Amino acid sequence: DAGVTQSPTHLIKTRGQQVTLRCSPKSGHDTVSWYQQALGQGPQFIFQYYEEEERQRGNFPDRFSGHQFPNYSSELNVNALLLGDSALYLCASSPSQVRNTGELFFGEGSRLTVL
Amino acid sequence: AQKVTQAQTEISVVEKEDVTLDCVYETRDTTYYLFWYKQPPSGELVFLIRRNSFDEQNEISGRYSWNFQKSTSSFNFTITASQVVDSAVYFCALSEILTGGGNKLTFGTGTQLKVEL
Repeated sequence: DAGVTQSPTHLIKTRGQQVTLRCSPKSGHDTVSWYQQALGQGPQFIFQYYEEEERQRGNFPDRFSGHQFPNYSSELNVNALLLGDSALYLCASSPSQVRNTGELFFGEGSRLTVL
Repeated sequence: AQKVTQAQTEISVVEKEDVTLDCVYETRDTTYYLFWYKQPPSGELVFLIRRNSFDEQNEISGRYSWNFQKSTSSFNFTITASQVVDSAVYFCALSEILTGGGNKLTFGTGTQLKVEL
């Protein structure tokens, strides 16, 4: 049973460029969340997708957008990259029927470096 | 607003020592869940334990144990007889039920645990 998978694992971009990160949730999970983890910090909530819609959003600008597909996989898009966007981007999935326990399963993340 | 504080930035112990990681949280919710996650160098956050706000019974699971005290808003985590493989960053997290369903986690800044031979 595959866990949460993310791609790419590492990537380097320059300021002003756009990036797309991808996530496949754990089998049986239909809810996907994205977190940003800056170096030396804890993960920060970006947004959550359920039934192909953004359910909630954290304190991130509109440059950060996402999408969820019918197979529950998800993409995170960041436009007009800034140096401060350099971070580990973590995808987490959960089954909706246990949503009230809050347990999330995380992937290994995509490490983005913006030069 | 939710807040999680992990005052210990880094802890170093010698193998087989016991180590306790501290966590203090703030929330206005009456129902919430607390978690501990482990993050090895690979980056993946690994779920360790979960405790709900209604159950203050402290438990032991293998080498892991936790002390949840609602009166002091603390949720401390202890590793008994530490091993080198326990070296990682440990995060305490607090869940918040989102409007319309679903949850988000608020994480602390993490505690780097180094276990040396």
